Amino acid sequence: DAGITQSPRHKVTETGTPVTLRCHQTENHRYMYWYRQDPGHGLRLIHYSYGVKDTDKGEVSDGYSVSRSKTEDFLLTLESATSSQTSVYFCAISEHPAVSYEQYFGPGTRLTVT
Amino acid sequence: DAKTTQPPSMDCAEGRAANLPCNHSTISGNEYVYWYRQIHSQGPQYIIHGLKNNETNEMASLIITEDRKSSTLILPHATLRDTAVYYCIVRANTGNQFYFGTGTSLTVIP
Repeated sequence: DAGITQSPRHKVTETGTPVTLRCHQTENHRYMYWYRQDPGHGLRLIHYSYGVKDTDKGEVSDGYSVSRSKTEDFLLTLESATSSQTSVYFCAISEHPAVSYEQYFGPGTRLTVT
Repeated sequence: DAKTTQPPSMDCAEGRAANLPCNHSTISGNEYVYWYRQIHSQGPQYIIHGLKNNETNEMASLIITEDRKSSTLILPHATLRDTAVYYCIVRANTGNQFYFGTGTSLTVIP
């Protein structure tokens, strides 16, 4: 299995509070991604990174920000959590963005916003 | 990315081959077919991918029709641990995202 960890694995927070989720990899892959998974929607891309300090928006980026100060860490921040951000969040990594390269996923973080 | 169509659920007897179909009739020439699975509450797990030729690895085989409009994932000897949701994804050469649909829920029956 690819060396990807996510922390925390579970979190309950209140509406309006900031939340930061961490993805850590030991594979030295350049590309990292944050997805959210909700019933009926599959996985949707929030943000991705193509190098240290290089990030871009995905399909559902509103209300989220990211940072990548080191190759191995990719942080996802919910600036002011809302109930609609209750979801399971997955981090993924890829050696290369080309279509022939697979993405490997972390174990997920279950976030509940009350 | 091309849309894929999969049956919502399938059953398979333990020890038998599981054949999971996927229709991707609008696939373009530069799009790959990927298969992932997700065991309950875990992250999606990569299984296999291919462009036009059949592929095999230690987990499964991927059979892509000559016109590339459909494919079949084959788990040769299904075990109870293969019970999962299986996603067929068609991915273009541009863009970073894997578009996961709702997949096929495979239940392996003892």
